[in-house]
Amino acid sequence: EAAVTQSPRNKVAVTGGKVTLSCNQTNNHNNMYWYRQDTGHGLRLIHYSYGAGSTEKGDIPDGYKASRPSQENFSLILELATPSQTSVYFCASGDPTGNYAEQFFGPGTRLTVL
Amino acid sequence: GEKVEQHQSTLSVREGDSAVINCTYTDTASSYFPWYKQEAGKSLHFVIDIRSNVDRKQSQRLTVLLDKKAKRFSLHITATQPEDSAIYFCAARESSGSWQLIFGSGTQLTVMP
Repeated sequence: EAAVTQSPRNKVAVTGGKVTLSCNQTNNHNNMYWYRQDTGHGLRLIHYSYGAGSTEKGDIPDGYKASRPSQENFSLILELATPSQTSVYFCASGDPTGNYAEQFFGPGTRLTVL
Repeated sequence: GEKVEQHQSTLSVREGDSAVINCTYTDTASSYFPWYKQEAGKSLHFVIDIRSNVDRKQSQRLTVLLDKKAKRFSLHITATQPEDSAIYFCAARESSGSWQLIFGSGTQLTVMP
């Protein structure tokens, strides 16, 4: 039983369209994260959240919004998708305390913007 | 903020040999360094970590070494097997309080039979 799930797993969007990527976790973790993975860049943090109602900007937030309506759900929203946002997106959850900060990743969403 | 560099984008070894993947970081206050593995077409999962109060940690065939003076840490895999083939990401946790993980760019390890 996967603890972090993402939907959709694959998405093709048109330039200028709105895209919503969804993430659900059953770990009861406070923190959730959205990353994108591009060759040569590794994982880059887009937005993260400390709990329901909270969203924070990561390292590359431009062009993205996030929403955390509940402990379990965290969405990434591309209001006006562009081809440069073609990537693989990973959601993760975690509960960093003290020196421990393991994150648990979802299966990823492959987004293609045409 | 913290920057993590992973200098080898690819690494090939023969089955049974050892593999070493190196990373450097910039923030002397960083205290937590995890490694993640991503098999082809799959997501990332945690494999091992090290905290700054030790300089070595071993888990079965995996060992992490931390050199705080040089701001360098490395993953050593002994007796490599084909199933070790994957992309390995190193990371360091931000010391600023956000507790974000800053990831390196990844090393594709290929274990050849």
